[in-house]
Amino acid sequence: NAGVTQTPKFQVLKTGQSMTLQCAQDMNHNSMYWYRQDPGMGLRLIYYSASEGTTDKGEVPNGYNVSRLNKREFSLRLESAAPSQTSVYFCASSESGTLAKNIQYFGAGTRLSVL
Amino acid sequence: AQTVTQSQPEMSVQEAETVTLSCTYDTSENNYYLFWYKQPPSRQMILVIRQEAYKQQNATENRFSVNFQKAAKSFSLKISDSQLGDTAMYFCAFAANFGNEKLTFGTGTRLTIIP
Repeated sequence: NAGVTQTPKFQVLKTGQSMTLQCAQDMNHNSMYWYRQDPGMGLRLIYYSASEGTTDKGEVPNGYNVSRLNKREFSLRLESAAPSQTSVYFCASSESGTLAKNIQYFGAGTRLSVL
Repeated sequence: AQTVTQSQPEMSVQEAETVTLSCTYDTSENNYYLFWYKQPPSRQMILVIRQEAYKQQNATENRFSVNFQKAAKSFSLKISDSQLGDTAMYFCAFAANFGNEKLTFGTGTRLTIIP
């Protein structure tokens, strides 16, 4: 039972390069999320998707785009990476569209360094 | 906007002892959920315990329990009979009800269990 799978686990980019972080869940969850975690700070929501075909901005969306490819997959794209985007990125998923019943399940994270 | 504050950046305790991690939050919402997540060195975020604000009874999960004081906006986590495997970062998080997908995290407390 894989849960939430993120690829890659580590990545180093040069300023200006682009890349896509992949996330897939096998729990048939409706909602998916992307967070970033920086030293001395908690996780901050970048984007989320309440259901297939919908996406919404979170707290820190600037510099990112997302795609909810299907129910299983939710990707995060950096079009032109900047050093300020050096962080650990977490994908999460949850069963329903509200937190009344769901729990967010997290992937193992992607450590991204932008030089 | 909601804020979550964890005022203890680091704590340590001897194995088998009891430790309490503090969390305070600020919100104008009346219905909401509070969470404690554990992040061990593996980086995986794991839900420890959840509290629904409209429930007066404090949540418990085995050795983990919370002291939820709604009027004081306080939500502390007590770990009893601490074990080496409890060594981790612990994050307090808040989510409003009624379809608000966003989890707001505190900055975390690094807990070390000393053998």
